[in-house]
Amino acid sequence: DTAVSQTPKYLVTQMGNDKSIKCEQNLGHDTMYWYKQDSKKFLKIMFSYNNKELIINETVPNRFSPKSPDKAHLNLHINSLELGDSAVYFCASSQDQTGRRQYFGAGTRLSVL
Amino acid sequence: EDQVTQSPEALRLQEGESSSLNCSYTVSGLRGLFWYRQDPGKGPEFLFTLYSAGEEKEKERLKATLTKKESFLHITAPKPEDSATYLCAVGGDSNYQLIWGAGTKLIIKP
Repeated sequence: DTAVSQTPKYLVTQMGNDKSIKCEQNLGHDTMYWYKQDSKKFLKIMFSYNNKELIINETVPNRFSPKSPDKAHLNLHINSLELGDSAVYFCASSQDQTGRRQYFGAGTRLSVL
Repeated sequence: EDQVTQSPEALRLQEGESSSLNCSYTVSGLRGLFWYRQDPGKGPEFLFTLYSAGEEKEKERLKATLTKKESFLHITAPKPEDSATYLCAVGGDSNYQLIWGAGTKLIIKP
């Protein structure tokens, strides 16, 4: 049973399209995250939610909008996709917002053509 | 500004050849330093947390150590299955974010 699962695993789309990535965790954790990992492997935090409340909102274009319907789910919607959005997006969760140990999903590889 | 630098970028070793990976950091008030392992096509997997200078943690062939400026991940007699990218991250006391290094890609040749 996968602890943190995100779908889809691969996403290939055209510039200007809108797409969503879904994430679910079955660990009972309070906090969830979205990270972007670029080609140089840097992991950059985008958003974090604690019990459905946004607690980290980094400098990310407002084309990216997270939504947490409940504390087990955190989705990411991206409007008007651009070439520079191509990356691997990881969802993660941790027991609380101190983030001492984070559990990651397998990632969604987004390619914008 | 909080910062994490990992070196080397890549390291190729023969099976059984011990070595160390470095993670240098600057952070205001270290809340914790974290080591993760990432295999190709997968998300990072937690290895260790270190909280204060002098602390050490061990797991199989891996041993992590911490000083006030850097952490080392020592790998003893590595096997090919230890091949992965090893990521270091630090948390400071100014917020709950983690600052990540770019990782060290470790390749162990049989």
